Amino acid sequence: DAGVIQSPRHEVTEMGQEVTLRCKPISGHNSLFWYRQTMMRGLELLIYFNNNVPIDDSGMPEDRFSAKMPNASFSTLKIQPSEPRDSAVYFCASSSGLAGEQFFGPGTRLTVL
Amino acid sequence: AQKVTQAQTEISVVEKEDVTLDCVYETRDTTYYLFWYKQPPSGELVFLIRRNSFDEQNEISGRYSWNFQKSTSSFNFTITASQVVDSAVYFCALSEAKGDDKIIFGKGTRLHILP
Repeated sequence: DAGVIQSPRHEVTEMGQEVTLRCKPISGHNSLFWYRQTMMRGLELLIYFNNNVPIDDSGMPEDRFSAKMPNASFSTLKIQPSEPRDSAVYFCASSSGLAGEQFFGPGTRLTVL
Repeated sequence: AQKVTQAQTEISVVEKEDVTLDCVYETRDTTYYLFWYKQPPSGELVFLIRRNSFDEQNEISGRYSWNFQKSTSSFNFTITASQVVDSAVYFCALSEAKGDDKIIFGKGTRLHILP
């Protein structure tokens, strides 16, 4: 298996632009997680899905952030409009359930100018 | 509420020394899982180990060992004969067995192995 796939790996955009991050979980995994990592705040859970359904989005910072999981093999995290403080590394992870270990993608490094 | 505390923000040791990374957790559940992840300078997060709350046996994997003590709510990680390649940020994490896979991560400990 190729592992969790994220795209793009790097994204540089200007403030106010829409940003879409993509994730393909490991086949067969039924839970998907979006995290954000910054030096100041560490690793934060933004939202997670179980069987394509959003379970907990309490970590989503504000309405500018939205996430979808239209099917078991694809998820997006969208920021609209983006702001410089959104600059971070965004990780997607998936797991197979029952408090199993999460497998992380390589991350998307987002820079908002 | 669940919480993971890694009191050591940063540690530096000379190569070949042993080093222990501390992890203290809080949970009200009797069934839970503990994890360690490694984040090397390249940035990816690598799973190292998972333990469930009913298994307090220490585990050893090569130069890595883990000491789980429920009495002190600790799950410490020791690297024996450290190597430069062990330089990374190490995260301890906790998951309560509530039917989902939500994991709460500690803030991480940045480990520098000096040649």
